[in-house]
Amino acid sequence: GAGVSQSPSNKVTEKGKDVELRCDPISGHTALYWYRQSLGQGLEFLIYFQGNSAPDKSGLPSDRFSAERTGGSVSTLTIQRTQQEDSAVYLCASSLGQGAGNTIYFGEGSWLTVV
Amino acid sequence: AQSVTQLGSHVSVSEGALVLLRCNYSSSVPPYLFWYVQYPNQGLQLLLKYTSAATLVKGINGFEAEFKKSETSFHLTKPSAHMSDAAEYFCAVTTNTDKLIFGTGTRLQVFP
Repeated sequence: GAGVSQSPSNKVTEKGKDVELRCDPISGHTALYWYRQSLGQGLEFLIYFQGNSAPDKSGLPSDRFSAERTGGSVSTLTIQRTQQEDSAVYLCASSLGQGAGNTIYFGEGSWLTVV
Repeated sequence: AQSVTQLGSHVSVSEGALVLLRCNYSSSVPPYLFWYVQYPNQGLQLLLKYTSAATLVKGINGFEAEFKKSETSFHLTKPSAHMSDAAEYFCAVTTNTDKLIFGTGTRLQVFP
């Protein structure tokens, strides 16, 4: 597709279960980002992949969160042993990765509800 | 480290009135600044960006923003609000990387 694609669009899970969220970036984009949007918390940076470089994981809130990017394209964000405070919209984005000032394109997000 | 502050979590205007959404940044090096809009149940869409060219930046849907270094500001304006402008607006900053740091957002309401 032409834009950043995320799945699932909605996910309800029980506390303690693991979840995987998938992101398919725009073709040719070398940079990929995950952000979390919680009610009243704004947009929180989680992790950033750029080409073959080591990812910037500085925003991951705990060791229950991890992400990988296979083949420089699709990325999966995994949350282990989910907690209620993990309920949020998880936004994926991508860009050409040519340095600061690049336009970053966002997907429509995966809504996660932990019950 | 860089950051942005958006003054006012909610702004209400009448249709046809001036829209002014405030954003102040903090950065020790020249910043790149962005405004994104988020319509209900949608992702973020770029409105405009400042990348050290012209200080007055024009974006989509009639919005513009002016970079003022002396005031460390990048306020978003639109001369005449439309009902369709109701959304959440985010200011963001980056410096030497692609990683955007966002403000907490301003929800714009437009009344008929």
